[in-house]
Amino acid sequence: AQSVTQLGSHVSVSEGALVLLRCNYSSSVPPYLFWYVQYPNQGLQLLLKYTTGATLVKGINGFEAEFKKSETSFHLTKPSAHMSDAAEYFCAVTKNFGNEKLTFGTGTRLTIIP
Amino acid sequence: EPEVTQTPSHQVTQMGQEVILRCVPISNHLYFYWYRQILGQKVEFLVSFYNNEISEKSEIFDDQFSVERPDGSNFTLKIRSTKLEDSAMYFCASGLGLSSYEQYFGPGTRLTVT
Repeated sequence: AQSVTQLGSHVSVSEGALVLLRCNYSSSVPPYLFWYVQYPNQGLQLLLKYTTGATLVKGINGFEAEFKKSETSFHLTKPSAHMSDAAEYFCAVTKNFGNEKLTFGTGTRLTIIP
Repeated sequence: EPEVTQTPSHQVTQMGQEVILRCVPISNHLYFYWYRQILGQKVEFLVSFYNNEISEKSEIFDDQFSVERPDGSNFTLKIRSTKLEDSAMYFCASGLGLSSYEQYFGPGTRLTVT
């Protein structure tokens, strides 16, 4: 079975500050990992993904995440927060074969302080 | 840019009534999914569908639920006799398959059972 833990259901950062959203996973097989963002009244938009290869992956809107197998983590970062980053962020894991279901974390609501 | 669409955006129904939630996946995608998110909880997998049959379903997806791809473009989720606890946001997703593991989500249908 797979699971995802997102530490911090709410995170607030000042505009221009570093954004760090934490995600730890559990998986019995090598995982594929994803970060999705959900803006109010919208669906889930893929920010970035890790499947194979480089463990530091870059996504849209200046976000990046690093897959650390030894720490079973896939934390999301952005060097400088922007007001438009305010949203809910979901980490998800799936198995590294086929087109399997996604298992989501509980989400982190990011608030940007002007 | 192609996107997954869902209708209606909000459905209110009485307990015991049947509802059909509709989705139009991205046209060349081969894999289809339904997820749901009860207010304040994580996004949960319901069912995946490939090659005109269910490939996986969760414990939530009991006999009250069914899915169908009636005409090669729509993908529907039917709840035969709704319960109060079915109130949630329902997301449809589709994936291209092969070596692309991304799932593209629709904006969701908010189902309210009274």
